[in-house]
Amino acid sequence: NAGVTQTPKFQVLKTGQSMTLQCAQDMNHEYMSWYRQDPGMGLRLIHYSVGAGITDQGEVPNGYNVSRSTTEDFPLRLLSAAPSQTSVYFCASSHGGQGAWADTQYFGPGTRLTVL
Amino acid sequence: GENVEQHPSTLSVQEGDSAVIKCTYSDSASNYFPWYKQELGKGPQLIIDIRSNVGEKKDQRIAVTLNKTAKHFSLHITETQPEDSAVYFCAASKHSGGSNYKLTFGKGTLLTVNP
Repeated sequence: NAGVTQTPKFQVLKTGQSMTLQCAQDMNHEYMSWYRQDPGMGLRLIHYSVGAGITDQGEVPNGYNVSRSTTEDFPLRLLSAAPSQTSVYFCASSHGGQGAWADTQYFGPGTRLTVL
Repeated sequence: GENVEQHPSTLSVQEGDSAVIKCTYSDSASNYFPWYKQELGKGPQLIIDIRSNVGEKKDQRIAVTLNKTAKHFSLHITETQPEDSAVYFCAASKHSGGSNYKLTFGKGTLLTVNP
């Protein structure tokens, strides 16, 4: 299994541009999430999904959109990039359901985004 | 919502010493407390977790303790090695729909193990 994959690894945008960060997992996990990591801030939840067709907002959703049309993919869209969205973005997935192993979240390698 | 505070923000120890990182949480309904290790340029990786029905859990050199009354939990690393150097994050969540998938993270601790 490749686990959780993210593309691109690095991206530079100009203010106002749009783009989509891709996330895919091959573990048949129900739950997927997007976090952003800023220096000294830890990881903050942007959006999450509990299954195909179901998404909801996390702690810092403004400026981001998500959709979940398949179990495997969970793209994050920036509609009009702003310098405040400069960050490292991590996608994560977990199996869900019952059992001690169900809650473990597996993280992708991250996308480093710079908005000029 | 949940608030997780983590201390210290940086920790430097000598190889072979123990390291302790502490976290407090605010929501008494939280019941799942994972710890993640993040190496430079990589995504966080789960190293150990504990649930609210358990007070302590060990895995080789790593242990986590939980005090539900005081709402704090701690990570203990014994016999530290240079490869333990990384950023460590604590997190908390509560069951929703049967699973814990909305994690609230602490701000992280940069652990440096000096040879």
